[in-house]
Amino acid sequence: DAMVIQNPRYQVTQFGKPVTLSCSQTLNHNVMYWYQQKSSQAPKLLFHYYDKDFNNEADTPDNFQSRRPNTSFCFLDIRSPGLGDAAMYLCATSRDRLAGGLNEQFFGPGTRLTVL
Amino acid sequence: ILNVEQSPQSLHVQEGDSTNFTCSFPSSNFYALHWYRWETAKSPEALFVMTLNGDEKKKGRISATLNTKEGYSYLYIKGSQPEDSATYLCAPLREWNSGNTPLVFGKGTRLSVIA
Repeated sequence: DAMVIQNPRYQVTQFGKPVTLSCSQTLNHNVMYWYQQKSSQAPKLLFHYYDKDFNNEADTPDNFQSRRPNTSFCFLDIRSPGLGDAAMYLCATSRDRLAGGLNEQFFGPGTRLTVL
Repeated sequence: ILNVEQSPQSLHVQEGDSTNFTCSFPSSNFYALHWYRWETAKSPEALFVMTLNGDEKKKGRISATLNTKEGYSYLYIKGSQPEDSATYLCAPLREWNSGNTPLVFGKGTRLSVIA
């Protein structure tokens, strides 16, 4: 089945130690998104790619970076994780941003990040 | 900042009961509303994408209505089953000068259906 895959499902890192979360998709969608969800809060968009065009949300900390080497893969890099970065990180895709918000998003199962 | 409110935050219902919950959002510049269901340890999955005032969509026992003038959407579940236990997220999309704004999710309504 076509899907959005996130690895690992659980990631433990140390305070200040860089960590990379990965996302891959078999849907061949143009758009890939990264969301952060902290406990009992709404998922918050960090950034998204439309093809290779990177779009950062204004309030996303500089500590968070992303790479999309090809259509299928997208990575979230946290350069120096702090305790406040512990969260669920969700990757999602959609077919075409420019079609408006009428295209549903397809999500991966998320990576739960713990910072010690 | 788009303010999206979902209520209640959580609820528990008995198997077979029908239930509903609310998503409220600013009505100005409305473009679309998404509903997602997120079961524990699984991926969030889309239920509905709604655009028209008065629109009603249905998928099995789940249906949703939309009022864009007053800025709310209701999600109804008829005859709740344990497999309906999940967090239900809504996300409105606004139309803006440079295109559409990203989805802004509410905190969700966490539904537990007790057998």
